Amino acid sequence: EIVLTQTPISSPVTLGQPASISCRSTQSLLHSDGNTYLSWLHQRPGQPPRLLIYEISNRFSGVPDRFSASGAGTDFTLKISRVEAEDVGVYYCMQATQSPCSFGQGTKLEIK
Amino acid sequence: EVQVVDSGGGLVRPGGSLRLSCAASGFTFTSFWMHWVRQSPGKGLVWVSRINIDGSVTNYADSVKGRFTISRDNAKNTLYLQMNNLRAEDTAVYYCGKGGYGAVTAWGQGTLVTVSS
Repeated sequence: EIVLTQTPISSPVTLGQPASISCRSTQSLLHSDGNTYLSWLHQRPGQPPRLLIYEISNRFSGVPDRFSASGAGTDFTLKISRVEAEDVGVYYCMQATQSPCSFGQGTKLEIK
Repeated sequence: EVQVVDSGGGLVRPGGSLRLSCAASGFTFTSFWMHWVRQSPGKGLVWVSRINIDGSVTNYADSVKGRFTISRDNAKNTLYLQMNNLRAEDTAVYYCGKGGYGAVTAWGQGTLVTVSS
């Protein structure tokens, strides 16, 4: 079973400043079909999650370009270039390369 | 507009059963894997199960294997999660999710399952 570990657990950020979240996997997330099924999601309090990034670095429909992501193998990063108030909440990475699928434990982004 | 609407949650006693449903609309249901994900109060997301487009492939988290069964009715654009032998630790909001790109691309609002005597 693949375990995803996110760092930091909590990230206080000043509005307009960048933020970065790391997701590390216990196994390579490269699938035999050549794709890497690592995605990033954002959940605001009281709301369901929403997809931000799929297959490591592809922004989902409607996601602002201040969100970017990168990585390969076992190490992945989500970056927000300039944090806005609406970005608060919890960020999760998720892998669907190997069953069972799994989520990281979450990173809480809050404004200083 | 893509929509997934989950329902069927409620209060059930330990050892009891419940069936969750997820009505899908706004996309070609038969073209996408579907997922169930849960979230206990104040906790993180936990993946529960997924099913392929025709129901021939199903995967489960170890914590629910043998107790939960995922299924789909493509004629009704509906996903199901049959939950048997429920335990207190199954208490959570259960989300239905549309697959795609190896991710969960659309989420329901969630349905609360409470297992308590």
